[in-house]
Amino acid sequence: EVQLVESGGGLVQPGESLRLSCAASGFTFSTYNMNWVRQAPGKGLEWVSYIGSGSSPIYYAESVKGRFTISRDNARNSLFLQMNSLRAEDTALYYCARDNYASGSYSMDYWGQGILVIVSS
Amino acid sequence: EIVLTQSPATLSVSPGERVTLSCRASQSISRNLAWYQQKLGQAPRLLFYAASTRATGVPARFSGSGSGTQFSLTISSLQSEDFAIYHCQQYNDWPPKWTFGQGTKVEIK
Repeated sequence: EVQLVESGGGLVQPGESLRLSCAASGFTFSTYNMNWVRQAPGKGLEWVSYIGSGSSPIYYAESVKGRFTISRDNARNSLFLQMNSLRAEDTALYYCARDNYASGSYSMDYWGQGILVIVSS
Repeated sequence: EIVLTQSPATLSVSPGERVTLSCRASQSISRNLAWYQQKLGQAPRLLFYAASTRATGVPARFSGSGSGTQFSLTISSLQSEDFAIYHCQQYNDWPPKWTFGQGTKVEIK
């Protein structure tokens, strides 16, 4: 069974940093591209970042470029999101999601349950 | 940035009814569109990709259609477990600038 479990969220002040982790199991993590997607309270979904199966290519949404860094450790079946210079508008539920590339599309076929990040003074 | 507009924002329906949700793209995205179902407090679940290809385990009462700028998701006979928010996502851009619609909430009438 495919499982994605996020951790590392919490309450931080504006300007601070946080590192999210996503532990993957039930599939060959090293062969899948991965994404981070977020959902602000009461809002729609927003794609945040993409990383290829071998740690490249890497892409970011304009809203987080220069502040967030995506990475992965295939030996530990883990995906990460380092978030620096956090802003109030980064407050959201953050999901890690697996790329459905095997289907020939860039949809996301499995999602974690999400981890809450709150940026507030 | 490609903007996806979903309509209506909320749909109040009774179990057994047929419902059609719309997703309109601000420019042509071919068939590079996915649909997701999100129940309260849960993660999104992939329903369709490539506009009309059903994901694993999705019941046949769900169907997806469209291409270019106009897409729709139809539920032929709404079941109690189908009350949820439905999101569309375009993945036409590369490098990715993927975007989602704002969602359509299907609620009990």
